[in-house]
Amino acid sequence: EADIYQTPRYLVIGTGKKITLECSQTMGHDKMYWYQQDPGMELHLIHYSYGVNSTEKGDLSSESTVSRIRTEHFPLTLESARPSHTSQYLCASSEGYNSPLHFGNGTRLTVT
Amino acid sequence: KNQVEQSPQSLIILEGKNCTLQCNYTVSPFSNLRWYKQDTGRGPVSLTIMTFSENTKSNGRYTATLDADTKQSSLHITASQLSDSASYICVVSGPPGETSGSRLTFGEGTQLTVNP
Repeated sequence: EADIYQTPRYLVIGTGKKITLECSQTMGHDKMYWYQQDPGMELHLIHYSYGVNSTEKGDLSSESTVSRIRTEHFPLTLESARPSHTSQYLCASSEGYNSPLHFGNGTRLTVT
Repeated sequence: KNQVEQSPQSLIILEGKNCTLQCNYTVSPFSNLRWYKQDTGRGPVSLTIMTFSENTKSNGRYTATLDADTKQSSLHITASQLSDSASYICVVSGPPGETSGSRLTFGEGTQLTVNP
């Protein structure tokens, strides 16, 4: 079982609030990723990191930001949440480019 | 545009039966193909990873096949169990490059339901 944790599991907030989704892994993986997944749809990459102080935007345009100050921690922040941000956010890590992704169980975000 | 198409979109089978899920892709060049299982409300879990030189790979009752010439893969589940009910996602990886983080292309998944 992979050791990657996301909090909170569920979050309901009002429009305009600032939120941070937490993601931590204890496997020492350099590569970490944030994906967005709507019900029944494919995962879309919104941010990734190859190591400390390395962050890049993914394929899906996102109004969120990320930071990677420590290897094990990769939080995602929404400065001003909107109803269009309602979705499931999945964090993942991997050891190398050809290694499997280890996913957390996700944060289901609802913005009212 | 790189694409991964999975079929069927959903499938219902009886416990104990076998089933096969399909994945067609247009990703090129190709590095590896992965199958993941995603239970409802959980993150995906890796089942298999195959490089272009591998034709088949098994993980317990799950057997994945790959035909890199026709760009097709299948996932065969033997003697299905109720716990196999999940979404099965095919993911194709292109080679590392400047945008390595975005080189994984995900399919929409096949929703499998196993009934008693």
